Amino acid sequence: DTAVSQTPKYLVTQMGNDKSIKCEQNLGHDTMYWYKQDSKKFLKIMFSYNNKELIINETVPNRFSPKSPDKAHLNLHINSLELGDSAVYFCASSLFRRANTGELFFGEGSRLTVL
Amino acid sequence: GDSVTQMEGPVTLSEEAFLTINCTYTATGYPSLFWYVQYPGEGLQLLLKATKADDKGSNKGFEATYRKETTSFHLEKGSVQVSDSAVYFCALRGSQGNLIFGKGTKLSVKP
Repeated sequence: DTAVSQTPKYLVTQMGNDKSIKCEQNLGHDTMYWYKQDSKKFLKIMFSYNNKELIINETVPNRFSPKSPDKAHLNLHINSLELGDSAVYFCASSLFRRANTGELFFGEGSRLTVL
Repeated sequence: GDSVTQMEGPVTLSEEAFLTINCTYTATGYPSLFWYVQYPGEGLQLLLKATKADDKGSNKGFEATYRKETTSFHLEKGSVQVSDSAVYFCALRGSQGNLIFGKGTKLSVKP
């Protein structure tokens, strides 16, 4: 029973296309995140939502638009894909009231390849 | 801003060797510190954590002690196994609740 699940796991697409990655968690958490992992394995926060409200919005091109229909879901839509968007995107979740000490739980990642 | 610096890899060891991966941090106050591990083709898993100074986190033979004097959280294991081959990430919990990661250290253990 997967705690944080992302779909699709692999995504290959052409430059200029629009694509979405979905994330769902069944842990009862109220905060969800999107991280980007580049080819050198560096992990960088992109967005964070708490109870459907955006609380972290790092310097990310506005081609990236997160959407949180409810606190168990956080989707990532990317418009006009570019070569540099190729990366592994990780979704994560946590409990906000344990913001100082609690861990984040990660999905298995979605590998996006832009050709 | 808050940041984490960890030793660059890759690190290659023989089985049963001693492992140390250095990690230092810069932060306001005393954030919780974490080590995450990423096995090939998988997501990140929490390996261990420490929430206050002098705490020692431990799991699967790995240990790390929160040292506020040296702002460090070095990861150690006395005897590594081939199955420990992975990328290890040091992280701190930022003021907004997100994790701020180091750049990761790839460990390869040879039989």
